[in-house]
Amino acid sequence: NAGVTQTPKFRVLKTGQSMTLLCAQDMNHEYMYWYRQDPGMGLRLIHYSVGEGTTAKGEVPDGYNVSRLKKQNFLLGLESAAPSQTSVYFCASSTAPDRGTGEQYFGPGTRLTVT
Amino acid sequence: AQSVTQPDIHITVSEGASLELRCNYSYGATPYLFWYVQSPGQGLQLLLKYFSGDTLVQGIKGFEAEFKRSQSSFNLRKPSVHWSDAAEYFCAVRLGGGSYIPTFGRGTSLIVHP
Repeated sequence: NAGVTQTPKFRVLKTGQSMTLLCAQDMNHEYMYWYRQDPGMGLRLIHYSVGEGTTAKGEVPDGYNVSRLKKQNFLLGLESAAPSQTSVYFCASSTAPDRGTGEQYFGPGTRLTVT
Repeated sequence: AQSVTQPDIHITVSEGASLELRCNYSYGATPYLFWYVQSPGQGLQLLLKYFSGDTLVQGIKGFEAEFKRSQSSFNLRKPSVHWSDAAEYFCAVRLGGGSYIPTFGRGTSLIVHP
């Protein structure tokens, strides 16, 4: 049971380049989330998904897109990277509220630098 | 709007000393409450949670937290801190019912002196 995994662990992009971050979970969780973490800002929710084929915007969605084509995977895309997107990105998953207390399980993070 | 406040950005304690990290929230009803720990370079790990019942909950690594409805608080405690407890600690709150998006506090960084 690997829990939540993220690929890649590190990445350096030039301004304007695109990339996709992959999150995978093997706990059969319905809900998945993408956060970014910046010094002094805590965790900020980018996008989330409550099930396969559904996504929704979080607190800071601009500049990002997501897809959840399979229940176990949640992809975060940057179409045209900007230096302001330099951050550590965390994926998380949880059960649905009616199936438990909804605590989140986090991946190890992806450190992204945009130059 | 719902909010979670961790008033201490940094806390420094000596190894072996007791610890209390504060968390306050603003909600009308009793929410689901969580404490997570983040070791350097790692993701967040659940320490403990509260959703009903006994207001004193036990977690992993010797941590406990007490829910106080009258103070809208969920403070994290440990009687004797170990050097390995140095980490970032996050309080999170989720409304009950069908709400599934938690709100996180900004975190408290714990520094442990030998």
